[in-house]
Amino acid sequence: DVKVTQSSRYLVKRTGEKVFLECVQDMDHENMFWYRQDPGLGLRLIYFSYDVKMKEKGDIPEGYSVSREKKERFSLILESASTNQTSMYLCASSSHGVEQYFGPGTRLTVT
Amino acid sequence: GENVEQHPSTLSVQEGDSAVIKCTYSDSASNYFPWYKQELGKRPQLIIDIRSNVGEKKDQRIAVTLNKTAKHFSLHITETQPEDSAVYFCAASKGQGAQKLVFGQGTRLTINP
Repeated sequence: DVKVTQSSRYLVKRTGEKVFLECVQDMDHENMFWYRQDPGLGLRLIYFSYDVKMKEKGDIPEGYSVSREKKERFSLILESASTNQTSMYLCASSSHGVEQYFGPGTRLTVT
Repeated sequence: GENVEQHPSTLSVQEGDSAVIKCTYSDSASNYFPWYKQELGKRPQLIIDIRSNVGEKKDQRIAVTLNKTAKHFSLHITETQPEDSAVYFCAASKGQGAQKLVFGQGTRLTINP
């Protein structure tokens, strides 16, 4: 059974803080993804990675960076959090281009 | 890049009736079209998918149809039940490498008893 976990379910940060969101998967998947989910906008891809130390920009990478030092772990970094980054963040993983398995999500509030 | 439009944004049907959600895509090179279901407070989960070499796929009460010429695909749920209430997302991908998905905006389906 695939398990994707995220470090926090809820997070409250102040404007300008550096924020780390962590995602871990236990199925040896090559691919990992970070999305943000906003009402009426669906899931929008921020960054993805198809291998350790490899990353590619998604559709909305501005204001974010990522790190993948180990195959099972993919981190999303907000260098200087802003209120417009208040959102639900979902991590996902997949193997060789098939089903994506999602984590439970982190609801981030930036005040 | 790819753009996926999903309609309607909300849908309310009587229990036992059918529900249809439609999506259009812009990139004719897209060849993989999954549907995800997200129940309230839970993570999205794949419920059915279709590749561009087939026109229809069924799994019990759910089916997906694909019209490559018109670049649209639809989710059909028959004999709806209360547990079908959720947000449904369509997506499209070119099916290469890391399988980057472009999602539609989502449809909130409510089944009325």
